[in-house]
Amino acid sequence: QQQVKQSPQSLIVQKGGISIINCAYENTAFDYFPWYQQFPGKGPALLIAIRPDVSEKKEGRFTISFNKSAKQFSLHIMDSQPGDSATYFCAASKGTSGSRLTFGEGTQLTVNP
Amino acid sequence: DAGVIQSPRHEVTEMGQEVTLRCKPISGHDYLFWYRQTMMRGLELLIYFNNNVPIDDSGMPEDRFSAKMPNASFSTLKIQPSEPRDSAVYFCASRFGAGTYNEQFFGPGTRLTVL
Repeated sequence: QQQVKQSPQSLIVQKGGISIINCAYENTAFDYFPWYQQFPGKGPALLIAIRPDVSEKKEGRFTISFNKSAKQFSLHIMDSQPGDSATYFCAASKGTSGSRLTFGEGTQLTVNP
Repeated sequence: DAGVIQSPRHEVTEMGQEVTLRCKPISGHDYLFWYRQTMMRGLELLIYFNNNVPIDDSGMPEDRFSAKMPNASFSTLKIQPSEPRDSAVYFCASRFGAGTYNEQFFGPGTRLTVL
């Protein structure tokens, strides 16, 4: 059972534009929501993460928006750059089982120069 | 630190052969995870260890898959016998501490192709 659904599957954005990737989860026990960035031939790397006690977290050009009631969270990349072209995965985990990350399907982002 | 090290980076084998993937976690990390990545199923957790002890192997697809961690600096994932549907990228990740919010660091992966 897929517990974290991610969309879109692919996204093309012009340089300087805003990239938005959305995720929805089912399990209300989830309490940690990280986003991972993966470049071709590399393993995923943590980009930014949020806990459900806040509605937004910003780190540089990357922002997570979190809507607990809707069970949705999204990644916004401001001023998108060609170097941001990668696959992005949302994930979720819960409490004492924080070791088990459930990943979304991934979004392949292409930023055109 | 060199990060999580995996070997080999690429493996091509024939159906029925035994495959062994290797992982060296980051020194001092006490959690180790094995993931599989495919187009159809995305990133799936196969098994994870804490202090060399397997904690959750519910993601291991079937008995053909086995994983061991004989010491804090080495783990293997073995597939015997291998099948074409095992073709995927296998990632190892490690983490320090039990905290929910502690970051998992991924290795570069092993791309397995079973012919």
